[in-house]
Amino acid sequence: EAGVAQSPRYKIIEKRQSVAFWCNPISGHATLYWYQQILGQGPKLLIQFQNNGVVDDSQLPKDRFSAERLKGVDSTLKIQPAKLEDSAVYLCASSPAGHRGNTIYFGEGSWLTVV
Amino acid sequence: AQSVTQLDSQVPVFEEAPVELRCNYSSSVSVYLFWYVQYPNQGLQLLLKYLSGSTLVKGINGFEAEFNKSQTSFHLRKPSVHISDTAEYFCAVMKTSGSRLTFGEGTQLTVNP
Repeated sequence: EAGVAQSPRYKIIEKRQSVAFWCNPISGHATLYWYQQILGQGPKLLIQFQNNGVVDDSQLPKDRFSAERLKGVDSTLKIQPAKLEDSAVYLCASSPAGHRGNTIYFGEGSWLTVV
Repeated sequence: AQSVTQLDSQVPVFEEAPVELRCNYSSSVSVYLFWYVQYPNQGLQLLLKYLSGSTLVKGINGFEAEFNKSQTSFHLRKPSVHISDTAEYFCAVMKTSGSRLTFGEGTQLTVNP
């Protein structure tokens, strides 16, 4: 079974530039998450989708971050304009819908450095 | 709201020694508990999870954890570690009514020869 796919794996941009990350979840998984992991910290949820609807985006900095999940499959996370403090790993994850306590499967992450 | 405290940011041990990584949580509602491992430059992989039932949970790679409701703890243990266990370990909680993970800050386990 293919895992959660993310691209690009690494990106370096200058502050005030924009960047987009792409995620393809495990086939059939209805729930998709984007987490931000700053170096030395645990992952923090940015946004959660159930199919193509947003369940939780309470910690998404909406002035600069946006995310979409068209057709309930792939998702894109965009940052515009980027700030130095956005340097982090952006982890996409997915899980099946339904049963509570389902395992959440993570991709390998997209590493962003803002200079 | 839920929170997770991992009591040790770094744990160095020698190969074949036992190890315990400590995790305490705080929540006003019932939670599920998870341990994830992150190898360098990789994503997170589930080690084990507690949903209900027996408080001793066995996971992959010889790891186990014990849920202690009275002490709100979920410590991770392995009786004999290998060099390959060197990684960052994250404890996480999820409300039983939800599907969002809240992570601790992580514990770096370094196994030395």
